[in-house]
Amino acid sequence: GQNIDQPTEMTATEGAIVQINCTYQTSGFNGLFWYQQHAGEAPTFLSYNVLDGLEEKGRFSSFLSRSKGYSYLLLKELQMKDSASYLCASMDSNYQLIWGAGTKLIIKP
Amino acid sequence: ETGVTQTPRHLVMGMTNKKSLKCEQHLGHNAMYWYKQSAKKPLELMFVYNFKEQTENNSVPSRFSPECPNSSHLFLHLHTLQPEDSALYLCASSQDSGAGANVLTFGAGSRLTVL
Repeated sequence: GQNIDQPTEMTATEGAIVQINCTYQTSGFNGLFWYQQHAGEAPTFLSYNVLDGLEEKGRFSSFLSRSKGYSYLLLKELQMKDSASYLCASMDSNYQLIWGAGTKLIIKP
Repeated sequence: ETGVTQTPRHLVMGMTNKKSLKCEQHLGHNAMYWYKQSAKKPLELMFVYNFKEQTENNSVPSRFSPECPNSSHLFLHLHTLQPEDSALYLCASSQDSGAGANVLTFGAGSRLTVL
């Protein structure tokens, strides 16, 4: 079956770096998405990876290894506003998104 | 207004009630989606419309009935719901469905409680 695994919850300190991992098993692969969702708000798009490697966007970077079925989201210089849930989703061969349950990130001062 | 707007933001209904959720997008997108989000569970895709035509219905019970009168508006009609249907219902839109880098723009959701 198709499956996405990511940690349920993580805690990090303001100013530090945190890496949120995601492993996926899907029927075919057409890319890996990361979304951020603050409590009570809409999920918003962060990144899309379809080729192996690291994509950097300011404080946020996303990495993909297709051979390992693995991705991570790296957040640097953490700010209190980064407290949110981070959703990983893999697009399968039918262009269907398979979602993880999300990782709740708690930032402490 | 810009983006994806959902109304109402909160809804409480009894199992015998009939209500509707509304979604509107001002992005010029051709595809619209309904998702169900329950605590600590992955997003569940319910329905997909592409150019007003329903292209996906993920075995959703008939007590949920979608309607897409045009590419900008999407409704979810609710009737005789069960308490386990209590969840956050998210609407999303994208340029079209069935493409590679298909980025979804979500609304803030309608929080539904069924008593």
